[in-house]
Amino acid sequence: ETGVTQSPTHLIKTRGQQVTLRCSSQSGHNTVSWYQQALGQGPQFIFQYYREEENGRGNFPPRFSGLQFPNYSSELNVNALELDDSALYLCASSLQGAGSYEQYFGPGTRLTVT
Amino acid sequence: AQSVTQLDSHVSVSEGTPVLLRCNYSSSYSPSLFWYVQHPNKGLQLLLKYTSAATLVKGINGFEAEFKKSETSFHLTKPSAHMSDAAEYFCVVGEAAVNKLTFGGGTRVLVKP
Repeated sequence: ETGVTQSPTHLIKTRGQQVTLRCSSQSGHNTVSWYQQALGQGPQFIFQYYREEENGRGNFPPRFSGLQFPNYSSELNVNALELDDSALYLCASSLQGAGSYEQYFGPGTRLTVT
Repeated sequence: AQSVTQLDSHVSVSEGTPVLLRCNYSSSYSPSLFWYVQHPNKGLQLLLKYTSAATLVKGINGFEAEFKKSETSFHLTKPSAHMSDAAEYFCVVGEAAVNKLTFGGGTRVLVKP
């Protein structure tokens, strides 16, 4: 069984730029959720994708967007980067309809905005 | 709306002594509750989960948690701390409608030799 993988591991961008983060879900899972974890805080829910559509969104502006592909992998795109976007971005996969809401997390992508 | 409050931001214990991490939750529905652990520079690992079955839940690495509806609590315990338990621990509540997880602020555990 393959776990959740994310790429890249680390990324440094300049304010105003755009960034794309990638996630491959665990084998057998059909749902991907993205979380932002600022330094010293708990992860915050950004959004979730199921059947290639957004299926719930947290309190994040539209410049945070995503995609899910037919193989259930996903991308998180952030436009017009701000300094406060510096954080660990976590992807989690799960099986919709399983009933337990159990999510499996990848190692994360550390984004630094300068 | 759901929310989670972890009552201690830091806990320091000696190796071999019990660990108690306190968590209170608020949820409009019958909650699904989880504890996750995060070691430095690593992803989140699921320790245990409560999904309306037994109120005492056993997890990995000797951890267990007790769901108390009347107190809206889900405290995590371990009888004997090990050095490898030093990490950040998150109490989490699951929202049914979107399979969304709401995290507490975390408790950092320090284990002294």
